[in-house]
Amino acid sequence: AQSVSQHNHHVILSEAASLELGCNYSYGGTVNLFWYVQYPGQHLQLLLKYFSGDPLVKGIKGFEAEFIKSKFSFNLRKPSVQWSDTAEYFCAVNAGAGNNRKLIWGLGTSLAVNP
Amino acid sequence: DGGITQSPKYLFRKEGQNVTLSCEQNLNHDAMYWYRQDPGQGLRLIYYSQIVNDFQKGDIAEGYSVSREKKESFPLTVTSAQKNPTAFYLCASSPGQVKTPQHFGDGTRLSIL
Repeated sequence: AQSVSQHNHHVILSEAASLELGCNYSYGGTVNLFWYVQYPGQHLQLLLKYFSGDPLVKGIKGFEAEFIKSKFSFNLRKPSVQWSDTAEYFCAVNAGAGNNRKLIWGLGTSLAVNP
Repeated sequence: DGGITQSPKYLFRKEGQNVTLSCEQNLNHDAMYWYRQDPGQGLRLIYYSQIVNDFQKGDIAEGYSVSREKKESFPLTVTSAQKNPTAFYLCASSPGQVKTPQHFGDGTRLSIL
């Protein structure tokens, strides 16, 4: 069965540190990939997505993610985090064929950035 | 500002009772979704609707029902057949790409009395 794995459940960083959140999926076919973010007290929202083309995707607020097909990965990165990046981050993968295609969610990574 | 409004924020259900969770959007999105979130699990899709008067079962539709009579509204009924309804319910919408939610509501937390 398809699954999405986010390796880190809780990450604590200091401001200006670099960030990389891991996301791996298990599905051999064509996928669409997403990162969602939920800031404290706010709605869950789409951060960035990959459908095709350049595997390096730029999102809002300086985030980017790289799709590495051979590694079944879609890691989220940011060169220098800010306190305002404190949030819960969810990776999701659209996988499956035909009517079985569905969006599968990871369990989320909680990021705390210390000022 | 456009967005998704879910109500109520907290809901309590008695055994054997049906309850309805409201979801309204003013984003003019075609597709709407209902997800359930439980501790230690990812979001799971209950139902989705691509267009008015049409909806499809998701992964965990048993014990739930929906309607889509208007584009803006996608209410979810948790029926007495749902044996473990205590959870956090999220409504979402997207312009058209199926099963790719873009905007989410604040959620409704349902508990059993």
